[in-house]
Amino acid sequence: NAGVTQTPKFRVLKTGQSMTLLCAQDMNHEYMYWYRQDPGMGLRLIHYSVGEGTTAKGEVPDGYNVSRLKKQNFLLGLESAAPSQTSVYFCTSGTVGEQYFGPGTRLTVT
Amino acid sequence: TQLLEQSPQFLSIQEGENLTVYCNSSSVFSSLQWYRQEPGEGPVLLVTVVTGGEVKKLKRLTFQFGDARKDSSLHITAAQPGDTGLYLCAGAHGAGNNRKLIWGLGTSLAVNP
Repeated sequence: NAGVTQTPKFRVLKTGQSMTLLCAQDMNHEYMYWYRQDPGMGLRLIHYSVGEGTTAKGEVPDGYNVSRLKKQNFLLGLESAAPSQTSVYFCTSGTVGEQYFGPGTRLTVT
Repeated sequence: TQLLEQSPQFLSIQEGENLTVYCNSSSVFSSLQWYRQEPGEGPVLLVTVVTGGEVKKLKRLTFQFGDARKDSSLHITAAQPGDTGLYLCAGAHGAGNNRKLIWGLGTSLAVNP
């Protein structure tokens, strides 16, 4: 039982490049979330999904897109990376009251 | 808007001391969670409290939810170096599919041997 896994663990992008972060969970959870964590700002919700085929915007959705084609996977895309998107990205699954975190992706945009 | 305030922001103590950290809000939450995050890792859920006045114990950690479900505290007895980490509280807010967690900024705890 791997729980929540994220790939990649680290990535460096140049401004304007695109990439996709992959999140997978094996706990059969309906709800999945993408957060970013920045010093002094805490955890901020980017997008979330309440089930396969559904997505919704969170607190800071601009510059990001998501897809939930399969229940176990939740993808976060950056279409044109900006330095302001340098952050640690966490995926979670579970319920609103109990969320299980992946190990995170540390992204640097230069 | 920061709806959950955690205090203190930083805490450095010696092994064996007791400590309490606080999580306060003006909003009512349907539940409140405490997480611990170690450097380079994702937060790990410690406990969920649901009922006003509820007290839960996890070994040397005692969690309390305020009677009005607006605040919570975490008390650690005889702290150990392994307790070092960032303690985050998060309150469940909203209804239906719009329910989300509101996060505090955390208390960074260092327990020195």
